[in-house]
Amino acid sequence: DADVTQTPRNRITKTGKRIMLECSQTKGHDRMYWYRQDPGLGLRLIYYSFDVKDINKGEISDGYSVSRQAQAKFSLSLESAIPNQTALYFCATSEGSAYEQYFGPGTRLTVT
Amino acid sequence: QKEVEQDPGPLSVPEGAIVSLNCTYSNSAFQYFMWYRQYSRKGPELLMYTYSSGNKEDGRFTAQVDKSSKYISLFIRDSQPSDSATYLCVVNSLPPTRQLTFGSGTQLTVLP
Repeated sequence: DADVTQTPRNRITKTGKRIMLECSQTKGHDRMYWYRQDPGLGLRLIYYSFDVKDINKGEISDGYSVSRQAQAKFSLSLESAIPNQTALYFCATSEGSAYEQYFGPGTRLTVT
Repeated sequence: QKEVEQDPGPLSVPEGAIVSLNCTYSNSAFQYFMWYRQYSRKGPELLMYTYSSGNKEDGRFTAQVDKSSKYISLFIRDSQPSDSATYLCVVNSLPPTRQLTFGSGTQLTVLP
């Protein structure tokens, strides 16, 4: 089984809808991250969490919110989706401040 | 100015060729330099990392950092079709966050 899983893998939604992307990990890592990937822009950090009680905004947090339900679960919500949030979203984990992050398979989100 | 600049390619080479992938970065305080590899429809995975200046070799792969010119390189010898992927140049920001900053990636295709 994969160490970092994301659900759903693909999602098409309409402008204005609320949507939640979920991430689970079995690596036992404290740190979890949400990124979005757009062509030509690379991966950009949306939110990160050092532990269940510590959540921090990343480079592009506007329009997004997160919830760390447990050490192993980190969810990303789009309260009112807009077309420019169409992107590939990745969850990642790391141990402490390690330079190695472990990524999930990604969720392809399309907002029409 | 982006913190990490990377030629997006795409780059296409014949099997067996030597591949050179390059990045520049803007902040001289960065200390960890990484290459992540991303196969199509997958999340990125750590390929190599170097600390400060110098070279690091791992099989057919060599990572090189020149801090004086803020230049990062990845060399692939005897390239194989299985090396076809997007290569992401990544730097590790300063304490306390130590977040990863990604380049936009170079898409490489190795033709059999």
